[in-house]
Amino acid sequence: NAGVTQTPKFQVLKTGQSMTLQCAQDMNHNSMYWYRQDPGMGLRLIYYSASEGTTDKGEVPNGYNVSRLNKREFSLRLESAAPSQTSVYFCASSKGGLAAFSSYTFGSGTRLTVV
Amino acid sequence: TQLLEQSPQFLSIQEGENLTVYCNSSSVFSSLQWYRQEPGEGPVLLVTVVTGGEVKKLKRLTFQFGDARKDSSLHITAAQTGDTGLYLCAGFSGSARQLTFGSGTQLTVLP
Repeated sequence: NAGVTQTPKFQVLKTGQSMTLQCAQDMNHNSMYWYRQDPGMGLRLIYYSASEGTTDKGEVPNGYNVSRLNKREFSLRLESAAPSQTSVYFCASSKGGLAAFSSYTFGSGTRLTVV
Repeated sequence: TQLLEQSPQFLSIQEGENLTVYCNSSSVFSSLQWYRQEPGEGPVLLVTVVTGGEVKKLKRLTFQFGDARKDSSLHITAAQTGDTGLYLCAGFSGSARQLTFGSGTQLTVLP
């Protein structure tokens, strides 16, 4: 089925370890996003890519880096994981880009625990 | 950062009852979206409202965008157990070029 695919679904890291969260979409969408979801705080934007070849910081970018590898793939890297980065991470894409009526499609998330 | 406050945070009702969830901000948004999220899944878009005062209906769900485009409401008529989930509002600000999410309303519909 068409959509946004995230890997892995679950991950446990030790403080200081690094890892990359993978995201791919097969809907030919231009824009892609990384959000984190914490209890009681909704979803907060980490980074986004309005189009292939561009990336921009969102609300909470510190401790993360991203790569828009091609139109389909957008990865999120944690260089040195910290317990504060324990969260559920969602990747999303949209066809209309950064427009008021863009429809966002979300992946099913990666649940990350940093111990 | 533009904030969206949702109320109530938690809501537990019996099947067949009506309910309203609110989404409020002091900021003006170009559009307002409502999503529904089930455990272990990502949010799924229900509706987008763009015009101040706009009302959209999706079966038993009625969405309204405030006249000043600062607030929105979601009304569910005759709730069913399948309506259980986390309801998130999200506002798009043209100036910030980002979609800002509220903290959500966790709805539980009891049989």
